[in-house]
Amino acid sequence: DTGVSQDPRHKITKRGQNVTFRCDPISEHNRLYWYRQTLGQGPEFLTYFQNEAQLEKSRLLSDRFSAERPKGSFSTLEIQRTEQGDSAMYLCASSLVQGSSYEQYFGPGTRLTVT
Amino acid sequence: AQSVTQLDSQVPVFEEAPVELRCNYSSSVSVYLFWYVQYPNQGLQLLLKYLSGSTLVKGINGFEAEFNKSQTSFHLRKPSVHISDTAEYFCAVSEKGNKLVFGAGTILRVKS
Repeated sequence: DTGVSQDPRHKITKRGQNVTFRCDPISEHNRLYWYRQTLGQGPEFLTYFQNEAQLEKSRLLSDRFSAERPKGSFSTLEIQRTEQGDSAMYLCASSLVQGSSYEQYFGPGTRLTVT
Repeated sequence: AQSVTQLDSQVPVFEEAPVELRCNYSSSVSVYLFWYVQYPNQGLQLLLKYLSGSTLVKGINGFEAEFNKSQTSFHLRKPSVHISDTAEYFCAVSEKGNKLVFGAGTILRVKS
């Protein structure tokens, strides 16, 4: 297994455009998380799925943001009507909730620049 | 709600010197504790974790951390650093298996 992958790695878009990011978790992992990281800060939680169910959303996730995980495999994060404040690194992580294992494995991230 | 404070935004240290990166947390429930490392232009990699048991936890690359419940701390240490340890280090807490709450990070700069 090659780990968590994210696509694209970089995205530059103009304010007001919609963007969609994809995350492919480690294949047997049942939980998938999205975080956002801005310069000089630690990652902040956005939302997470257990299988295909979205179990928690942060207050940071405005109604312009939507995430899906159809069939409990890959996930997409869409941002509508992007704003300059959306510029950040978007990180995806996955984990297998089993026994005492709680380790989250992170992907390389998608860096979004809104101009 | 949980929160994490990393007391130093940057820590400069000479190669082969010891280093300690400080982390304090607050939570009203029992938490699990983690340290992650982020190298430039890469994702986060787990260094070590504390779930239960021995309060001294050993991780990869010669790092270790000690959980101190009374001081609500989880400081990261390495007895002798290398140039290759230059990176940003994040402390994080989690209620059992759920979202991670991260600190703001500490940049470790190892100088020759």
